[in-house]
Amino acid sequence: EVQLVQSGAEVKKPGESLKISCKGSGYSFTSHWIGWVRQMPGKGLEWMGSIYPGDSDPRYTPYSPSFEGQVTISADKSISTAYLQWNSLKASDTAIYYCARCASGGSCYFDYWGQGTQVTISS
Amino acid sequence: DIQMTQSPSSLSASVGDRVTITCRASQDITNYLAWYQQKPGKVPKLLIYDASTLQSGVPSRFSGSGSGTDFTLTISSLQPEDVATYYCQKYNSAPPLFTFGPGTKVDI
Repeated sequence: EVQLVQSGAEVKKPGESLKISCKGSGYSFTSHWIGWVRQMPGKGLEWMGSIYPGDSDPRYTPYSPSFEGQVTISADKSISTAYLQWNSLKASDTAIYYCARCASGGSCYFDYWGQGTQVTISS
Repeated sequence: DIQMTQSPSSLSASVGDRVTITCRASQDITNYLAWYQQKPGKVPKLLIYDASTLQSGVPSRFSGSGSGTDFTLTISSLQPEDVATYYCQKYNSAPPLFTFGPGTKVDI
């Protein structure tokens, strides 16, 4: 069974750093792109960026222009885990963050999703 | 950047009604279009990919059509469990770049 299990909810202060995780199981982790999606309170879905764990060279990690330079996506294929990190959090980073797996083949839509990680930034 | 729009932004219908949601891309995306359903407080769920292919396990009352810039999601007979927000998403292969539509909230 394909599963993406995300790390638990976080409460942080502005200016702090954070790294959340997404562990894949039940499939070949290195053969599928993983994407990160933000959902701010009461708002829609926003794609942040994606990574290919089989070749997680940062030069080939595409980001949405809205998130380029604001977050870093990485992966550790040895433990089948993808990460999303911030160096300096802002109140506006308060949201639910989902990881999702791209289906195989030429079409990259999200066929499996993690359960979401609630991130709350408050002073 | 390709922009995605959806209409209507919200709708209210009765059980058994036929419901149609439209998604429009600012440029030709061939058939690289997916639809997701997100029920309140839940994780998004893939309904349709490649514009018209039903994901395994999704009820057959859901269908998708279109190509190029104009796409539709149709629920042939609305059920109470279909109350949700529906998002279209443009995607491509490598590198994977995505844009979601703003969503359509469906109520009964």
